[in-house]
Formats: sequence, structure tokens, C-alpha cells
Amino acid sequence: EVHLLESGGGFVQPGGSLRLSCAASGFTFSSYAMGWVRQAPGKGLEWVSIIINSGGTTYYADSVKGRFTISRDNSKNTMSLQMNGLRVDDTAVYYCVQNWNGDNWGQGTLVTVSS
Amino acid sequence: DVVMTQSPLSLSVTLGQPASISCRSSQSLVYSDGNTYLNWFHQRPGQSPRRLIYKASNRDSGVPDRFSGSGSGTDFTLKISTVEAEDVGVYYCMQGIHWPRTFGQGTKVEIK
Repeated sequence: EVHLLESGGGFVQPGGSLRLSCAASGFTFSSYAMGWVRQAPGKGLEWVSIIINSGGTTYYADSVKGRFTISRDNSKNTMSLQMNGLRVDDTAVYYCVQNWNGDNWGQGTLVTVSS
Repeated sequence: DVVMTQSPLSLSVTLGQPASISCRSSQSLVYSDGNTYLNWFHQRPGQSPRRLIYKASNRDSGVPDRFSGSGSGTDFTLKISTVEAEDVGVYYCMQGIHWPRTFGQGTKVEIK
């Protein structure tokens, strides 16, 4: 059974940084692209970033480009999202997602950006 | 970006009755491999989304057969043949061809 567990969310002031992590199990991690999707309170879903299986190529939504960095460690079955220059509108639940078409999702971790 | 437009945005359904949600994309979702990359997700209150349908009409493992997806090109439909209490929540379509991946606004389904 696929299991995705996010961690690292919390409260941060505007301009601050956070690093989210996703621990994966139940599948061959190195065979799948992995991504992050966020959901602002009471709002819809937005893809933030994705990294291909080898880690060699990454994609970002325009809203986070230049501020967020996605990475993965296939030896540890983990993926990370380094978030710098956080803004109030980055406040959301961040989900770890398997594959380009959202095969499986984690339970999410809440990031709150507020002064 | 590809714009995904769902309708209706809310739906009140009697238990045991059918329900249907429409999703339209601003660009064709047919890929060069011949497949149509349209996904449907269900998010129950307080839970993370779960994919129900991939490639427009394929049910994910464990998804009840009362759920069906259809459509091609730019017009798609999710149908629930007989709504059950556990089907409440928000349904999203998502295109799976272009980056950034984009979702519809969501359709909230409640029981009448």
C-alpha cells in the first residue's frame, strides 16, 4: 500500500522559510515523479511543483518560481520542498503527491504565513 | 495555462439517485500517444483528495463501479449511478497533459 507522510509545516512570518518533507513507502520511489499540491483554506487545489523520477528535471508554478526548490533523495525515499520568501498567500495545506496525474496523496501539512 | 471549467459548482442529490458533473478544458487533452489525460478526484470533508478516474474513463483500484468517467477532447463527465452518503464532498477534474497541471474549481456534492 502506498503511504506518503508529510512533515515540516508550521507558522512562519512573511519573508521567512520552511522546509517540507515527504517520506514515501509502499512503491518503488525512484520510478515515479513526485510533486506538491497545495490548498489554501476553503479553496481549490493548485499544483506547486514536480520533480521527475531521477531528480534531474523540476517544474514550478509561476506563483512560486524563484522562491521554492523541490528535491528528492531516492536512496532515502524522501522528497523535500524548500520554501523561501514566504508570503501570506502561500498559506495552505501542502500535499505530497505521487506521479504526474496524482495517483496517491499524503494527508497534508499546514503552512501558515502571517505576521 | 489550461483552464478547467466544472459545472455545476454545487449539487444536492437524493440518496439512491444519479448525479453528473461536467468538466471542460480550454485545450484538447488528447496526447500524442492517443490517450486522454483527464483525472477525477474526490475530497471528503477534512480529508485529502483521492483519485477516482484516470485517462478519462479508467477507475482506480477500489473505486466503486457506481462511478464512471466519459468524454474526449475537451468535454468530460463524471457520473455517479446511485449516490450514497459517503459520496459527499468536493469533486475536482484535473488535466494531465500540460504543465502546470490545472484543476477545475470543484463541485460540492451534498445529500438532499
